[in-house]
Amino acid sequence: AQSVTQLDSQVPVFEEAPVELRCNYSSSVSVYLFWYVQYPNQGLQLLLKYLSGSTLVESINGFEAEFNKSQTSFHLRKPSVHISDTAEYFCAVSPKTSYDKVIFGPGTSLSVIP
Amino acid sequence: GAVVSQHPSRVICKSGTSVKIECRSLDFQATTMFWYRQFPKKSLMLMATSNEGSKATYEQGVEKDKFLINHASLTLSTLTVTSAHPEDSSFYICSANVKGPNTEAFFGQGTRLTVV
Repeated sequence: AQSVTQLDSQVPVFEEAPVELRCNYSSSVSVYLFWYVQYPNQGLQLLLKYLSGSTLVESINGFEAEFNKSQTSFHLRKPSVHISDTAEYFCAVSPKTSYDKVIFGPGTSLSVIP
Repeated sequence: GAVVSQHPSRVICKSGTSVKIECRSLDFQATTMFWYRQFPKKSLMLMATSNEGSKATYEQGVEKDKFLINHASLTLSTLTVTSAHPEDSSFYICSANVKGPNTEAFFGQGTRLTVV
């Protein structure tokens, strides 16, 4: 079985400041790792994913996440946030043996303060 | 990327009635789709796995007689909330995968159900 932990339920941060959203997971099998974003009253959008290869993955809007196998972490970072980044962020895993099924963390609500 | 369309996006129904939510994969075939439920300010909880041509597989604690799932074709899965009650009010999201080496789950835009 898999589980995902996001220790911070809410993260307020000032505009243009850096931010890190933490994610840890546990799994008895190898997994793929994802970050999804949900803007207010909208569905889920894939932000970035780690499947294999380089442990540092980037999104087109400036976010990056680094897979750390020894610490079973996949923290999400952005050096300078914008108001438009205000959203709910979900870390998720998918077992490589059954990649259809996605297990979500509880989510972190990022609020960017002007 | 692949598109998953969910309909309706919002629905309000009276207590005791049934509501059907559709999930369609528009440009790919999906033998498996997933249904999630999201409570206010909570994460998404997997409800069931919808399998084309066979019965759905429900997660523990999900009432299969209340949440009927039908996956009649490779591009359509439906979730019917039967005899809805106010506690069934929630945000329901479906997903489907394009199978392959660089796979990801594509999510529908979600359906907000309000039972009054």
